[in-house]
Parts: sequence; structure tokens; C-alpha cells
Amino acid sequence: EVQLVESGGGLIQPGGSLRLSCAASGLTVSDNFMNWVRQAPGKGLEWVSILYDGGSTYYGDSVKGRFTISRDNSKNTLYLQMNRLRVEDTAVYYCAREKALASGSPDGFDIWGPGTMVTVSS
Amino acid sequence: SYVLTQPSSVSVAPGKTARITCGGNNIERKSVHWYQQKPGQAPLLVIYHDSDRPSGIPERVSGSNSGNTATLTISSVEAGDEADYYCQVWDSSSGHRRIFGGGTKLTVL
Repeated sequence: EVQLVESGGGLIQPGGSLRLSCAASGLTVSDNFMNWVRQAPGKGLEWVSILYDGGSTYYGDSVKGRFTISRDNSKNTLYLQMNRLRVEDTAVYYCAREKALASGSPDGFDIWGPGTMVTVSS
Repeated sequence: SYVLTQPSSVSVAPGKTARITCGGNNIERKSVHWYQQKPGQAPLLVIYHDSDRPSGIPERVSGSNSGNTATLTISSVEAGDEADYYCQVWDSSSGHRRIFGGGTKLTVL
């Protein structure tokens, strides 16, 4: 069974740092387009970052320069290092695999983890 | 940057057809994906590539994309269809951003 499971969320003060993990089973992280998507309480979905199979990384404007996406191939795990956290970063953070067409274009997030809650508050 | 616009809510009686729209500039040139999210759960892909259904999604769920509007259609609506629905595209013109619509709450009366 293909599964993604996030961990590492919690309560953190503004300005602090946190690292989220996404452990994968049934799929190889390094062979896939892996993303982080977040959802603030009572709000919609917001794309955060992508790590392509080739290693390229991209970020949404609201987190660029503060968050870093990475992976550990030996552990088949995706990470999100979050620095200089703000109150507005409070959200459930989902790890999601994005399907890819043969052309290399993305084709929807078909596998999601259950999410991990991050609360930034003093 | 590219913007997707969805109605905040849609209401439909059981057995009827629900249509949820997603507006965007020349959206027909993009591949649109749709997600269903129930309270406390992760989103679920219900339509990808405008109109394709993942395995396990019933045939009464369909999608279309034309002009400036993509549409998710759910026929013979059931109580279990009540959820939030989000459209999403890849905005290749702005780099590698993935864009979500604001979401539509589908209420089954």
C-alpha cells in the first residue's frame, strides 16, 4: 500500500524553526514530484513547495527564503525545514505526491498524507 | 500571478446535479484537477487532466474545461458528496507554481 505519513508538527514561537518529515512507503520519494501543501484553520489549500525527481526545488512566494525542502533517499523521506516562522504559517501541512505525465508535466496530487499541525504562537 | 475563482458555496437536493465552477483566464489552455475534502481529512483527487477519473471515483463525477471556466459536475448527488471542493492548476508561465482555487462548500439539502 502506498502511504505518506507526516510528523514533526507542534507549537512553536514566532521566529522559531521546525522541521517536518514525510515518510513514504510503497513509493520512492526520489522518483517522484514531491510537494508540501498547507491549510490554515478554516481556510483553503495553499501550495508551499516542490522537490522534483531531478532535484530542482521551488517555493511559494509566502515561504521563499524561509523554508527549505529536501529529501533523504536512504530513509525515503521528504523534509520541510521551516525557519523564521510567523503566526500566519499556522496550518496543517500535507505532504503530497504529484503525478507526472510522460512529457514531464504535472498531473495532479494523487497521494496525500494525513497532515501534521503547526501552530505558531507566543 | 494566475488566479482561480470558485463560488464559496453550492447547494443541491439529493438526486439532483451539482455543478461547481472554476474560473481563470484562458483556463482551457491548462490542465485542471479537482479535489474533494471532507472535515478532518486530507484532500482526495477526484478529477485530473480536466476530465479523467482516478480509480475508485464513480462515473457520476465528471469534469470539463472550456474557455475561461472549468466545471466539476456531480450527478445524482448523495449526502456523502457534501464536502469542500478545490480546483487546481500548474501555472507554468510563472515558473513552477501550483495554484488552488479558494474552494467551494457543497451542501446537500
